[in-house]
Amino acid sequence: QVQLVESGGDLVKPGGSLRLSCAASGFSFRDYYMTWFRQAPGKGLEWVSYISSSGSATYYGDSVRGRFTISRDNTKNSMYLQMNSLRVDDTAVYFCARGYGSGSRGYFDSWGQGSLVTVSS
Amino acid sequence: SLELTQSPSVSVSPGQTATISCSGDRLGEKYTSWYQQKPGQSPILVLYQTYRRPSGIPERFSGSISGNTATLTISVTQPIDEADYYCQAWGTNAVIFGGGTRVYVL
Repeated sequence: QVQLVESGGDLVKPGGSLRLSCAASGFSFRDYYMTWFRQAPGKGLEWVSYISSSGSATYYGDSVRGRFTISRDNTKNSMYLQMNSLRVDDTAVYFCARGYGSGSRGYFDSWGQGSLVTVSS
Repeated sequence: SLELTQSPSVSVSPGQTATISCSGDRLGEKYTSWYQQKPGQSPILVLYQTYRRPSGIPERFSGSISGNTATLTISVTQPIDEADYYCQAWGTNAVIFGGGTRVYVL
């Protein structure tokens, strides 16, 4: 079955960096676009970034553009999120999810368990 | 840019119908997905492309659209349906969520 496992979450100081990983199994990873979402404590879901199946196209939410970089390695069935210049308001549980369907038909049918990133001095 | 608006909470008695709405500019021209999230858990897709139910999701979950408002309806609501529900649609190369609706089954 589809499995997504995030790792790399940690406590980091403001201005610091962190790299999250998402390991995928149970499906043909190279055939799907992948996405990062986050959820701050007690708040709703927020889209962070997504990457096309080949990795050639990437998109970012306004709050992270220029600071975060999404990437993937289809040979390792893994996706990554490099987070730089971290701010206190980046504190959240970060989820990776599989995208299904093209364009506006797309939706997210499988989610990982999440990885907690805490930004605090 | 697209914004999706949901009411903060809905209360329903067991066995009754819960209605969760999501409104947004020109939402009627887009596809809406819905996610259920229970405390401490990851979201689960319960509806996609406005009406469609993934395998394993009970038939009591259904979707509709009227004008610029999408609706998730839970018929014969059960205590296990108590959760947060988020609607989602696409903006221009961006994923948009509503703020979420907490469904209380009292």
